[in-house]
Amino acid sequence: QVQLQESGPGLVKPSETLSLTCSVFGGSVTGGSFYWTWIRQPPQKGLEWIGYIDYSGNTNYLSSLKSRLTISRDTSNNQFSLRLTSVTAADTAVYYCARGYYSGYDKIDVWGQGTLVTVSS
Amino acid sequence: SSELTQDPAVSVALGQTVRITCHGDSLRRYYPSWYQQKPGQAPRLVNYGRNNRPSGIPDRISASYSGNTASLTITGAQAEDEADYYCNSRDSIGHHIVFGGGTKLTVL
Repeated sequence: QVQLQESGPGLVKPSETLSLTCSVFGGSVTGGSFYWTWIRQPPQKGLEWIGYIDYSGNTNYLSSLKSRLTISRDTSNNQFSLRLTSVTAADTAVYYCARGYYSGYDKIDVWGQGTLVTVSS
Repeated sequence: SSELTQDPAVSVALGQTVRITCHGDSLRRYYPSWYQQKPGQAPRLVNYGRNNRPSGIPDRISASYSGNTASLTITGAQAEDEADYYCNSRDSIGHHIVFGGGTKLTVL
């Protein structure tokens, strides 16, 4: 059974870089036809897809974040990561990593527990 | 702004049937998925594609779609069904993943 675990700082200063890592257990970031995605949820708000990296290393980013966002993977450690530069208070959210599969629909079936990142000085 | 639109809140009496809807033009081309989120928890996939349920999801939760509208129906709502529900699909060109704004379901 695949499990995901987010890690990273819970507090980031405005204008600095937010970096999170998702460790994958029980599966491989290069296996199957999955994509590995980041989704965030600002306090008391809905879900927002941020981007993903797929099993072959291709990336897909939300257009409004594309200039600040990098999603990468470390195949030797079976992890994938999020890097968001020049953060503001609007980037404060619970960040979830998750696994998805696309076949005419998105089946995002495994989620991490989420980690709260607060942007504040 | 989301390309998928959901009613912010819906309520249902215990044991009754409730339908949660999701509207968007992209639903004419891409199947939706549905997620349940309880307070303090990560979302959980409850239905995907053409009414498929992951293991462990009761069959009282079903999905349908027609035109630009997708629906999640809970038949015989239980107290444990009280949660936020999100629909998910692709944008109009199929490139980006989008979520609806979510519907808060209250079981009375």
